[in-house]
Amino acid sequence: DAKTTQPPSMDCAEGRAANLPCNHSTISGNEYVYWYRQIHSQGPQYIIHGLKNNETNEMASLIITEDRKSSTLILPHATLRDTAVYYCIDEAAGNKLTFGGGTRVLVKP
Amino acid sequence: DGGITQSPKYLFRKEGQNVTLSCEQNLNHDAMYWYRQDPGQGLRLIYYSQIVNDFQKGDIAEGYSVSREKKESFPLTVTSAQKNPTAFYLCASSMSTGENSPLHFGNGTRLTVT
Repeated sequence: DAKTTQPPSMDCAEGRAANLPCNHSTISGNEYVYWYRQIHSQGPQYIIHGLKNNETNEMASLIITEDRKSSTLILPHATLRDTAVYYCIDEAAGNKLTFGGGTRVLVKP
Repeated sequence: DGGITQSPKYLFRKEGQNVTLSCEQNLNHDAMYWYRQDPGQGLRLIYYSQIVNDFQKGDIAEGYSVSREKKESFPLTVTSAQKNPTAFYLCASSMSTGENSPLHFGNGTRLTVT
């Protein structure tokens, strides 16, 4: 079973920031938080990952709480092409990574 | 460009037949994985391989078999023993199976068994 909890769906206005929450209350000290997204009928795409510190790359920002029990993925300026299912995962990469249901994000014009 | 190639994109088989799904990567990654995805669901791990000539069962390995004879290739065979083989199959790779090693996915093979 997935170890993370995400809302099943959310809508976002085009051009606005999208903030996607994730709870990972059972995360251990050496487990990274990973975010992927999956556009319909394609393979998941890696977005970003982090351990303790906040991270930013060309796609998104990742904010991890100090206790590491939750995180937020931020898409700074959502576009229609950001419509996808977003997965938050907290297991060590490759070691029985479990993808739950994710959050279905719909970006509206 | 480096990446993961899965072929074919769509595959149709009759019940009772074994079928092999191809996965090739040119990323020079040590680790490779197979996942299954059912409609509206997340991904479930079938098998993974940390290095050539070695592989481990994931959460749903029954009815599947794999081989890892070359670093670049990790074919998955769906056997007739798999009770519900119709699904979307995704192959992935990573530099290693340790932390700080993101997965890179192919675009999947959609298998339909009738």
